[in-house]
Amino acid sequence: DTGVSQNPRHKITKRGQNVTFRCDPISEHNRLYWYRQTLGQGPEFLTYFQNEAQLEKSRLLSDRFSAERPKGSFSTLEIQRTEQGDSAMYLCASSFLTGQGDNQPQHFGDGTRLSIL
Amino acid sequence: GNSVTQMEGPVTLSEEAFLTINCTYTATGYPSLFWYVQYPGEGLQLLLKATKADDKGSNKGFEATYRKETTSFHLEKGSVQVSDSAVYFCALSLLKGQAGTALIFGKGTTLSVSS
Repeated sequence: DTGVSQNPRHKITKRGQNVTFRCDPISEHNRLYWYRQTLGQGPEFLTYFQNEAQLEKSRLLSDRFSAERPKGSFSTLEIQRTEQGDSAMYLCASSFLTGQGDNQPQHFGDGTRLSIL
Repeated sequence: GNSVTQMEGPVTLSEEAFLTINCTYTATGYPSLFWYVQYPGEGLQLLLKATKADDKGSNKGFEATYRKETTSFHLEKGSVQVSDSAVYFCALSLLKGQAGTALIFGKGTTLSVSS
């Protein structure tokens, strides 16, 4: 079990630039989630995929944000025209939904820390 | 709406002291409840879970009981160690058939244990 892997660990960019993060989930997991965590707060849900289908998006996910999971394996989260308020830790998690509809606990990656200058 | 409220920290204890971190929730339906822990410089790790009323989750000496009547899931440990110093997050997840499957987290409680 290699765990959930996120790249890069840190990203520093200027306001207005586009950034893309990658998440590789645990290989047998069919669900993949993105969260955002700001300092002193708990993670906040952004979106999730079941296989390649994006099933839910939070109101936090503005139109500058887009997420994909093209082959049902790794996922990317892109932020266009970054703003100061986008500075946060972006967390990816994965889980396995059984055939009986039992959603197993989510396993988290170490996150990508985004800093907007 | 669905939400989780945790006691504010930081919680500062001496080694071998008893720990309680309070967590209450508001949810439509019957959520599953979780405690996650985040050690310095690391990602979130699942500590324990409970999926129905009166279930007790336990791991590494930590325990929490799902109390439907008080909508609570307080975390306890009888004797803390310095290595338990971390941020603890209470979270809920709505079951299949309910709206959404995302985890809803509390703000986290920082625990600092000194020797």
